[in-house]
Amino acid sequence: DQQVKQNSPSLSVQEGRISILNCDYTNSMFDYFLWYKKYPAEGPTFLISISSIKDKNEDGRFTVFLNKSAKHLSLHIVPSQPGDSAVYFCAAPPGGSQGNLIFGKGTKLSVKP
Amino acid sequence: DTEVTQTPKHLVMGMTNKKSLKCEQHMGHRAMYWYKQKAKKPPELMFVYSYEKLSINESVPSRFSPECPNSSLLNLHLHALQPEDSALYLCASSQVLGGGQPQHFGDGTRLSIL
Repeated sequence: DQQVKQNSPSLSVQEGRISILNCDYTNSMFDYFLWYKKYPAEGPTFLISISSIKDKNEDGRFTVFLNKSAKHLSLHIVPSQPGDSAVYFCAAPPGGSQGNLIFGKGTKLSVKP
Repeated sequence: DTEVTQTPKHLVMGMTNKKSLKCEQHMGHRAMYWYKQKAKKPPELMFVYSYEKLSINESVPSRFSPECPNSSLLNLHLHALQPEDSALYLCASSQVLGGGQPQHFGDGTRLSIL
């Protein structure tokens, strides 16, 4: 059973507009959530994270929002740029002494000029 | 440029071969990870090392054998692999295990089993 879900396999956005990538989770014990970006032929690159005690974290063009009651988080990219075209993974650590990450299936973002 | 270096970038091997994947980081991280990623799927954890000791083995078949010779190096020894083992193998590291530490990934080794 998937604990981290990204239900949109792809998203297409015009350059300069906002990209909103969504992620749902089932495990209310997650302490942190992380977003990774992956280009073809490269490993995932850490983008931004959010602690479960916060509802928003911002870093430049990237903002992550957390709605714990809905078990939902979203990544906003404003303004979107063609270089943002990649697969975005939402991830969470199971908690405790475990440090591994459980990844969603990813959303492929295409930003069109 | 990634701070986690994986070699080789590509590897083609037969089912009877023995080969090793290598991973190196010089960020002083004490937790290192091996993930396997199949096409159009998310990375799946295989092994976790913390302070050079195996912390997690996600029921990986014994034909995959990890080794952590020191705090900067992580190897994955391969023997008698099957065609379904063809995948991208990703190494990652984090400062320590747990605590929401972000993991830094290498670019992976693309493995093909003939």
